[in-house]
Amino acid sequence: AQSVTQLGSHVSVSEGALVLLRCNYSSSVPPYLFWYVQYPNQGLQLLLKYTSAATLVKGINGFEAEFKKSETSFHLTKPSAHMSDAAEYFCAVSDRTGGFKTIFGAGTRLFVKA
Amino acid sequence: NAGVTQTPKFRVLKTGQSMTLLCAQDMNHEYMYWYRQDPGMGLRLIHYSVGEGTTAKGEVPDGYNVSRLKKQNFLLGLESAAPSQTSVYFCATLRDNSPGGQYFGPGTRLTVT
Repeated sequence: AQSVTQLGSHVSVSEGALVLLRCNYSSSVPPYLFWYVQYPNQGLQLLLKYTSAATLVKGINGFEAEFKKSETSFHLTKPSAHMSDAAEYFCAVSDRTGGFKTIFGAGTRLFVKA
Repeated sequence: NAGVTQTPKFRVLKTGQSMTLLCAQDMNHEYMYWYRQDPGMGLRLIHYSVGEGTTAKGEVPDGYNVSRLKKQNFLLGLESAAPSQTSVYFCATLRDNSPGGQYFGPGTRLTVT
């Protein structure tokens, strides 16, 4: 069975500081991995995805994530936080079988201080 | 293009009442999903569909039914609402069985009293 663990339900950074949101996954087969962002009172938007090509994946708004098989991790980073990055972020893993079912982590809320 | 739309946006039900949530998409996507989002629990899959006329159970299907009579619509029904079904419900679509990432609707906030 697949699972996702996001370390830290809340992360607070200063504007301009590094953003690091942690995600570890469990999967018995090579996974597809995703990061989604959710702004208040909205649905989720795809930030980036890993699909077994390059291990370093670049997404929108300056975010990137690195797939590390040995650590079963897919941490999300951004070199310099902006106030507009304040949102909730979800890591997710999908199976490759029928239905493409996706398991989401519990989410990490990012606060950005001026 | 509207993308993925959900109707209604808000609803308050009394225990035992029934209702149907509608998800509509204009992207011609094959796969559609219903999730519920509860604080601290992320999104949990209720039911999904891999094409018109098909449905399957997800992680938390009890108390819900679904139908996909037309490719563009995916309906989620609550036959007898319970307070435990108070949640925010999201519909999502996926073009096909490829790792493109899902497209989400804006959500329906349901309160059952």
